[in-house]
Amino acid sequence: SQTIHQWPATLVQPVGSPLSLECTVEGTSNPNLYWYRQAAGRGLQLLFYSVGIGQISSEVPQNLSASRPQDRQFILSSKKLLLSDSGFYLCAWSKYGGGTGMGKTQYFGPGTRLLVL
Amino acid sequence: AQSVTQPDIHITVSEGASLELRCNYSYGATPYLFWYVQSPGQGLQLLLKYFSGDTLVQGIKGFEAEFKRSQSSFNLRKPSVHWSDAAEYFCAVGAGGGGNKLTFGTGTQLKVEL
Repeated sequence: SQTIHQWPATLVQPVGSPLSLECTVEGTSNPNLYWYRQAAGRGLQLLFYSVGIGQISSEVPQNLSASRPQDRQFILSSKKLLLSDSGFYLCAWSKYGGGTGMGKTQYFGPGTRLLVL
Repeated sequence: AQSVTQPDIHITVSEGASLELRCNYSYGATPYLFWYVQSPGQGLQLLLKYFSGDTLVQGIKGFEAEFKRSQSSFNLRKPSVHWSDAAEYFCAVGAGGGGNKLTFGTGTQLKVEL
């Protein structure tokens, strides 16, 4: 079976500090990977998605970036955090195959709570 | 582009009562439809999905949803709510063809009174 991990679970960082959140998926190959942010009381905002190693699509202009150094690893980064970066960050994966229902079915990790002070 | 509307931000039901959460989508062709549930501080869990075929789909935890093309709706139902069902529920739609992105609604917060 497939498993998705995110770490850390919680992070408190000062404004202007760097950020690195990691997401890994087990039990599948060549997954589609996604980063979402969920601000308090709001829905999900898609930040980045990736269909393969080194292939990153950005949905929202911001001071965040994403990388996919390995097939099942997805990293969210920032060089300098802003107060507005606080939120709940969710990683998700789906099976490779964009034209199919299975390719669109996303499975979420447990999330990382980020508080920027 | 597709869109999803969940008109109820908050819903309160008594334990044992029936539940219906509304979801309306906007998309020209047959969409791929999903319901997810999120407990506080946790990730989203897939409840059920609709791709094609039978318009009444069964999911986990006793939930079901019905796709109604004429009403552009995909409402989530449960005949008898349990206190553990208190959570936030998200409806999502994916477009046909290539592309893997989902569009999520803003969520409905469910409170269950004992």
